Order: sequence, then structure tokens, then C-alpha cells
Amino acid sequence: GIQVEQSPPDLILQEGANSTLRCNFSDSVNNLQWFHQNPWGQLINLFYIPSGTKQNGRLSATTVATERYSLLYISSSQTTDSGVYFCAVQTGANNLFFGTGTRLTVIP
Amino acid sequence: KAGVTQTPRYLIKTRGQQVTLSCSPISGHRSVSWYQQTPGQGLQFLFEYFSETQRNKGNFPGRFSGRQFSNSRSEMNVSTLELGDSALYLCASSLRDSPLYNEQFFGPGTRLTVL
Repeated sequence: GIQVEQSPPDLILQEGANSTLRCNFSDSVNNLQWFHQNPWGQLINLFYIPSGTKQNGRLSATTVATERYSLLYISSSQTTDSGVYFCAVQTGANNLFFGTGTRLTVIP
Repeated sequence: KAGVTQTPRYLIKTRGQQVTLSCSPISGHRSVSWYQQTPGQGLQFLFEYFSETQRNKGNFPGRFSGRQFSNSRSEMNVSTLELGDSALYLCASSLRDSPLYNEQFFGPGTRLTVL
């Protein structure tokens, strides 16, 4: 099956710092989503971004489908940004293949 | 519009028992997918139901089964529970009416502990 790799696995930031999370995938995909998993386990939708660039407040994402990667940018990080960020891709079927996640810790 | 709901939120069972988890999708969504999250294996796809039919299945043993009702609500069942079945079970719903747009939305999950 398709392989999804996320980097870095762990990231510790001072509040106010910027960061870039990367997602590489091994095959062509139909869809790509970024999620933030909160401490209670819920996956919060951040972006639905099979290609192109989107922005939502302090967060933005870019997917370059031809080169099989996606980037999630977090600017002016806050302690509430802490958690695990997942990239998930979808091929022909309707199921998502998840990466192993990036654990972000923002220190005040 | 209400989000995806899952019940129960927490469950404790013993080995050999069976368990049924429930998921209600976002109103209008006809596809429901189930995922298992464990520290060792991460997030893995279990199966997907659409219009009461299983459309896709992950690589899990037959002890894991599911169904979908006419109102799109879905249940998953795990029989003969094993310690390794302890996990967070997440349900996702989507419209699935276009291959060009198929965003999935997740519920809060059911945390199952098998003793």
C-alpha cells in the first residue's frame, strides 16, 4: 500500500515561533487531509488539500501532488497548538492512509 | 450542523467478551468509515460502509465486523476480545458523492480497554 511519512516526529517550540511540518507520500493520491489530534483523541480537520495552497488564520498548507509532498505551516505558535498533527492521503478507495504524525509541544 | 457522534466514549471489557460501538454520521453523509488507533500501529482503516453496504475493508481479522442502517448510522462489533484490541476507535463520515471532493470528518472516538 501507499506509504506516508511525516517529519519531524517531534517538535518543541517556544510560543510565538513558526514551524513547518512535512508529509511525503509514495504514490499518486486523490485527496490529502491534515488533522490536529487534541489531547482527548479527536481528530480536528485542518485542511482538505489535494493540491495547491490554502490558508486559515495562522495555519497554511501547500500540496505539490506531482512531487508527492505536502507542507503544513504554523505561524506565531500558541500553547493551544500543542498536540499531534497527522497527514492522511486517499487513493482510489474511500479510506485514508495516515502518517505516523508529528508531535508538537509549544512551551510558554 | 451536528458533527459525528460516537457512543459510548469509554468502555472497559474483559478478554473473550464482545463489544458493539455506535457511530452517527453528519446529517446527509452516507459514508461511514471506522479506524483503529493504537500506540504501536498508529491509525489503521477497518472498513467503510456506504448505503448499508460494506464498500472497503482493511486488513483486520473476521472478529471485527460492522453494519450500517438505513439512516446511515453504523455499528462495529468486535467479538472474542483480545488484549491487543485495546485502542481508540474512530468513526469518520463523508458525503462520498464525488471523487473530486471527499473530505472525511471524525467523531470523538470510543476508547476501549480490554482487561
